[in-house]
Amino acid sequence: EDQVTQSPEALRLQEGESSSLNCSYTVSGLRGLFWYRQDPGKGPEFLFTLYSAGEEKEKERLKATLTKKESFLHITAPKPEDSATYLCAVQVGNYGQNFVFGPGTRLSVLP
Amino acid sequence: EAQVTQNPRYLITVTGKKLTVTCSQNMNHEYMSWYRQDPGLGLRQIYYSMNVEVTDKGDVPEGYKVSRKEKRNFPLILESPSPNQTSLYFCASSLGAVSEQYFGPGTRLTVT
Repeated sequence: EDQVTQSPEALRLQEGESSSLNCSYTVSGLRGLFWYRQDPGKGPEFLFTLYSAGEEKEKERLKATLTKKESFLHITAPKPEDSATYLCAVQVGNYGQNFVFGPGTRLSVLP
Repeated sequence: EAQVTQNPRYLITVTGKKLTVTCSQNMNHEYMSWYRQDPGLGLRQIYYSMNVEVTDKGDVPEGYKVSRKEKRNFPLILESPSPNQTSLYFCASSLGAVSEQYFGPGTRLTVT
């Protein structure tokens, strides 16, 4: 069974305190790994797509990396506006568009 | 403005009363999906569509129906809603099979 877990469940950081969020997956065939940000009361917002082990992508204070079993979302010098729930999703299957999402990491950045 | 819209945003209904949640996108996307989001369980895919008249089941399709008669619209139908379908529902669309998804604002459904 395809499975995605995320840790920690919740994380509180001081502004400027860098950290990493983890997404571990067990899937039969990975077509892509996606990171999304979700603010309270809103739909998820796309951040990154990673396709193969060793791939890295960056956007402002965020950097996503991928290995064969997990992905990390590194947050460098976070600001309060980075507070949100970060979701990891894997696309599986040989065709179509099946996605499995992790439960998310709720990040709070305190000023 | 490129967007995915859902209606209604909030709905309270009773067990067994058929309802439809509409979803529309203005980006000419091929792929569309429906998800439900529950505390502790995350987002779970209900159905997806690869094009007009082409739909397939996600992880939790029981109790739901969908149709894709036009490219821009992908309604979610609950023929006989039950309390366990109380949830937050999201519609999403994407240009290609392995592309980022654009999500709607969500529909909060309560079935009593």
